[in-house]
Amino acid sequence: KAGVTQTPRYLIKTRGQQVTLSCSPISGHRSVSWYQQTPGQGLQFLFEYFSETQRNKGNFPGRFSGRQFSNSRSEMNVSTLELGDSALYLCASSLARTSGWADTQYFGPGTRLTVL
Amino acid sequence: GDSVTQMEGPVTLSEEAFLTINCTYTATGYPSLFWYVQYPGEGLQLLLKATKADDKGSNKGFEATYRKETTSFHLEKGSVQVSDSAVYFCALSPSEDSGSRLTFGEGTQLTVNP
Repeated sequence: KAGVTQTPRYLIKTRGQQVTLSCSPISGHRSVSWYQQTPGQGLQFLFEYFSETQRNKGNFPGRFSGRQFSNSRSEMNVSTLELGDSALYLCASSLARTSGWADTQYFGPGTRLTVL
Repeated sequence: GDSVTQMEGPVTLSEEAFLTINCTYTATGYPSLFWYVQYPGEGLQLLLKATKADDKGSNKGFEATYRKETTSFHLEKGSVQVSDSAVYFCALSPSEDSGSRLTFGEGTQLTVNP
């Protein structure tokens, strides 16, 4: 079974621009979560989507948004990019069969975003 | 709120040495606990997990036991190899949460020398 895929793998943008990252979950997985990884802040949860609805949200500004499609694929958008948005953005998928059950999350390779 | 604390790194060992990476957590209820590993330039790979107190997770020679009384989930391996060099993350997922949301520790860089 194919793992979680993320595109693109690398991205360079300038301040003020916007960017869209894509994530395809493992087949059959219904939940997609996004994380930001930086050397200073470590791994931080951005948000989770389940059945095309945002189910959980981390403590990030509204410039960070996402969505999920009917096939469970997800996109994350960052508008008005800042230098501090440079990071590795990781996507994770899980089965999420039962509400309240802590499903195991499987991660993709990440998208490395550099903001100049 | 929930939090995970890992021992400070980096950790440098010789091949075949014993490894312990400490992890303690703060959370309400009975969270699920995970260890993930990240190799250079890659995403996170699940190493092992435990979902209730006294559970032992194990994989590839690594073990960790869910200790509710000490709120700990220390990672151990009896004999490390050069290929184990990576960053290790301890994480928890709250039990009462209706979704998937991992809280990670800071990560511990492990280097194993031949």
